[in-house]
Amino acid sequence: DVKVTQSSRYLVKRTGEKVFLECVQDMDHENMFWYRQDPGLGLRLIYFSYDVKMKEKGDIPEGYSVSREKKERFSLILESASTNQTSMYLCASSLQLAGSSTDTQYFGPGTRLTVL
Amino acid sequence: AQKVTQAQTEISVVEKEDVTLDCVYETRDTTYYLFWYKQPPSGELVFLIRRNSFDEQNEISGRYSWNFQKSTSSFNFTITASQVVDSAVYFCVRGGNEKLTFGTGTRLTIIP
Repeated sequence: DVKVTQSSRYLVKRTGEKVFLECVQDMDHENMFWYRQDPGLGLRLIYFSYDVKMKEKGDIPEGYSVSREKKERFSLILESASTNQTSMYLCASSLQLAGSSTDTQYFGPGTRLTVL
Repeated sequence: AQKVTQAQTEISVVEKEDVTLDCVYETRDTTYYLFWYKQPPSGELVFLIRRNSFDEQNEISGRYSWNFQKSTSSFNFTITASQVVDSAVYFCVRGGNEKLTFGTGTRLTIIP
């Protein structure tokens, strides 16, 4: 079974703090993704990575950065958290090298981040 | 953007009833993929099915079945003999040459 884990289920931070969200997958998948999910807006892609040290911007990268130093780990970084970044953050991974939207993405349990 | 439309925002049915969740998608691609995911209250998105555009055969998996009709660009999902554990938000998703496009989801509530 594919397993994607995220470091925290719930996180509360203050405005201006630097926030790290960690995601680990154990299936040797090439692609990893970060989404945020908001009521009425659905899931939106923030960043994805198709290889170690490679990253691509998604639909809403502003205010975020990512790091992929190892194949199994993909980190989302909020350099200076703001209240409008309060959201559910979902990490996913998929196997295929090409066509990142053709293969099945497997999701982690999500991190519900609140920025006060 | 090529949209995925799930017109039913919320559905409630009594346990053991059958229920169909509708999904209509837009695509300009010849080859594309369709997915359904389930998101229970715990929050994790659970993969249910993946179909490619060349395979229009309907699929059944236990109480779940999917009806893929290219002519109407629809990929509907039916749960037979619903159970309380089926209560969740269900997402229809399209993939292909571009990134995944998610529908806005249908919240299904099964009433005991």
